[in-house]
Amino acid sequence: EIVLTQSPDTLSLSPGERATLSCRASQSVSNNYVAWYQQKPGQAPRLLIYGASSRATGIPDRFSGSGSGTDFTLTISRLEPEDFAVYYCQQYGSMYTFGQGTMLEIK
Amino acid sequence: QVQLQESGPGLVKPSETLSLTCTVSGGFISSYYWSWIRQPPGKRLEWIGYIYYSGSTNYSPSLKSRVTISVDTPKNQFSLKLTSVTAADTAVYFCARLGVVPAASLDYWGQGTLVTVSS
Repeated sequence: EIVLTQSPDTLSLSPGERATLSCRASQSVSNNYVAWYQQKPGQAPRLLIYGASSRATGIPDRFSGSGSGTDFTLTISRLEPEDFAVYYCQQYGSMYTFGQGTMLEIK
Repeated sequence: QVQLQESGPGLVKPSETLSLTCTVSGGFISSYYWSWIRQPPGKRLEWIGYIYYSGSTNYSPSLKSRVTISVDTPKNQFSLKLTSVTAADTAVYFCARLGVVPAASLDYWGQGTLVTVSS
């Protein structure tokens, strides 16, 4: 099973700042099949990025994904108030596993 | 817009069977893979399994002995059964859509339903 480890666990930033979230896999992810999701309290996860770098339908261009192999990054270029949430990475190259999440909180 | 809605009992007794149904609206269940995922309180998301509209399935190895996922195409529904539940199965259960191939992200999700295992 591929284990995903996200860092940091918590990220404290202010609106307008840039956020960089990391996701490291215990082994290389086939075809860079990595997705990123945003989850707010009491809500279902929302797909942001798939295939490591492709934005899902309707996702603002301030969200971008990058990386390959075992290291992947989600970047939010300029934080909006509605971006403060928990973010999960997921790999679907070998079964499906999720990271433990990064909580993005308002500083 | 595709929408998914989970339904089923919110409380299940230990050793009994957890049964949930996911109803898909705004689109047809055919041609896609559909999945169940759960999230225990304070923990990460865990994939349970998926089903194709034709009925073929794939389950998480850690749950395979207890899980059955089935599909009812005319009703646009798919269902989850988890047998011999314990407190460790307490979680929010989500249904979601994969893609037209299993190696895909989950693009539409239900709101989730909390299932508590307790006597």
